[in-house]
Amino acid sequence: EVQLLESGGGLVQPGGSLRLSCAASGFTFSNYAVNWVRQAPGKGLEWVSAISGSGASTYYVDSVKGRFSISRDISKNTVYLQMNSLRAEDTAVYYCAKDYYHLSYYFDYWGQGTLVTVSS
Amino acid sequence: EIVLTQSPATLSLSPGERATLSCRASQSVSSYLAWYQQKPGQAPRLLIYDASNRATGIPARFSGSGSGTDFTLTISSLEPEDFAVYYCQQRSNWPPRGTFGQGTKVEIK
Repeated sequence: EVQLLESGGGLVQPGGSLRLSCAASGFTFSNYAVNWVRQAPGKGLEWVSAISGSGASTYYVDSVKGRFSISRDISKNTVYLQMNSLRAEDTAVYYCAKDYYHLSYYFDYWGQGTLVTVSS
Repeated sequence: EIVLTQSPATLSLSPGERATLSCRASQSVSSYLAWYQQKPGQAPRLLIYDASNRATGIPARFSGSGSGTDFTLTISSLEPEDFAVYYCQQRSNWPPRGTFGQGTKVEIK
């Protein structure tokens, strides 16, 4: 059974940093890209970042470029999202999501989400 | 940047009725469009990919159509569990990304 489990969310001050983790199981981890998608309270979905199966390629939405960094540890079946210089507008539930097929940007399995709140 | 516009914002229907949801892209996305269902407090669920292909385990009452800039998600006969918010999403290989529409809420009339 495919499972994705996010952790690392919490309350952080503007300008602060946070690292999210996404622990994956139930599929061949290195064969699929993993994405982060966020949802601000009461709002729609926004794709944030993706990392290829090998970890060699990474992609970001323009609003987080230079502030967020995605990585993966294949030995731990885990993807990370390092978030720096956080802003109030980054407040959201962050989901990790597996590609339906590699770099398809369609997401067939999602975690339960972790809430990031940026506030003073 | 491609923008997806969904309509209507809210659809009020009764169980057993047919639901027709629209998604319009600001420029052609070929057939690279997906539909998701999201219920309160839950993660989204992939329903349709590449405009008309049902994802694994999705009931046949869900169908997708369209290409280019105009797409439709049809639920042939609404079940009680189908009342939710539906998002369309386009995929792009360059720049690599997956942009979502703003959502359509299907509510019980």
